[in-house]
Amino acid sequence: DAGVIQSPRHEVTEMGQEVTLRCKPISGHDYLFWYRQTMMRGLELLIYFNNNVPIDDSGMPEDRFSAKMPNASFSTLKIQPSEPRDSAVYFCASRTGTGSEKLFFGSGTQLSVL
Amino acid sequence: QQQVKQSPQSLIVQKGGISIINCAYENTAFDYFPWYQQFPGKGPALLIAIRPDVSEKKEGRFTISFNKSAKQFSLHIMDSQPGDSATYFCAASYAGGFKTIFGAGTRLFVKA
Repeated sequence: DAGVIQSPRHEVTEMGQEVTLRCKPISGHDYLFWYRQTMMRGLELLIYFNNNVPIDDSGMPEDRFSAKMPNASFSTLKIQPSEPRDSAVYFCASRTGTGSEKLFFGSGTQLSVL
Repeated sequence: QQQVKQSPQSLIVQKGGISIINCAYENTAFDYFPWYQQFPGKGPALLIAIRPDVSEKKEGRFTISFNKSAKQFSLHIMDSQPGDSATYFCAASYAGGFKTIFGAGTRLFVKA
């Protein structure tokens, strides 16, 4: 299994631009999570999905952030418009619904908003 | 109530020494306490985990000690090696929920 795949690995953009981060979870995993990592705030849960349905988006910082999961093998996190304070590493993670609580993380997307 | 507080923020240990990282929680509904290890440029990966019905769990050089009454748990790395140099996160989640709450992380550096 290739694990959780995220793209791009690095994204540099200018303030005001739209940014789209992509994630392919491990096949068979029912849950998908988006986390943001910064030095100041550590790992923050932004949103998670169960069977492609958003369950809890209480961690999404503002309306500028949106996430979708159109099918079991693909999710996007979009920031529009982006701001310098959005600069962080964004991780996608997935897990099964039963049997194990282990989270499998992707390698992350390093986002820099200039 | 959702927080997991982790200390220290950073830690330097000599090769062969013991590394100890501590975490505390408030929410007594938490029932699963994992530790994740993260190397630069990589996502966190599960290292070891414990449930509150046991006080200790050991896997190789890594041990979790759990104190339910104090609502604290810690990671001990015995015979620390330079390859253990990484960021360690404690975390917690609870039955019936799927959110994992992470501590702030501890940067461990093991000197050769």
